[in-house]
Amino acid sequence: DAGVIQSPRHEVTEMGQEVTLRCKPISGHDYLFWYRQTMMRGLELLIYFNNNVPIDDSGMPEDRFSAKMPNASFSTLKIQPSEPRDSAVYFCASSFFRSPLHFGNGTRLTVT
Amino acid sequence: SQQGEEDPQALSIQEGENATMNCSYKTSINNLQWYRQNSGRGLVHLILIRSNEREKHSGRLRVTLDTSKKSSSLLITASRAADTASYFCATDVNTNAGKSTFGDGTTLTVKP
Repeated sequence: DAGVIQSPRHEVTEMGQEVTLRCKPISGHDYLFWYRQTMMRGLELLIYFNNNVPIDDSGMPEDRFSAKMPNASFSTLKIQPSEPRDSAVYFCASSFFRSPLHFGNGTRLTVT
Repeated sequence: SQQGEEDPQALSIQEGENATMNCSYKTSINNLQWYRQNSGRGLVHLILIRSNEREKHSGRLRVTLDTSKKSSSLLITASRAADTASYFCATDVNTNAGKSTFGDGTTLTVKP
């Protein structure tokens, strides 16, 4: 199994631009999570899906952030418009019911 | 605020020594997990301990859980330079959702 795959690995963009992060979870997993990691705030849960349905998006910081999971093998996290304070490492993770989380290697986002 | 808090924030030891990290949490949990994060990579699951368990072993890892004190510890015995990483505890407070909340982590440095 290739594990959770995230793309791109690095993204540098200018303030105001739209950013789309992508995630392919492990096949057969029914939960998908988006986390953000910064030095100041640590690892924050942004949103998670169960069977492609968003369950809890209370961690999404603002309306500028949106996430979709159109099918069991793909999810996106979009930031529009991006701001410098959005700079962070964004992780996608998947799991099967109660099993532990399997993380991708993250997307390092830099907004200038 | 984060559910789990690790202690110490940073730990530096010599190869061969044991490393102990602690995690405290605030609310009742269903299980507690420990993860490792190498620099520039995603988190990797190490071990899960359920609320009705008190101790669990996996190779050189030993985890204890004290639900009365709402705390857990991770012991790495006979540490190696390759154990250098950040270690996070995560608590699952909602069994059905599988949602895990992470602490701020302990950065472990093992000197050869």
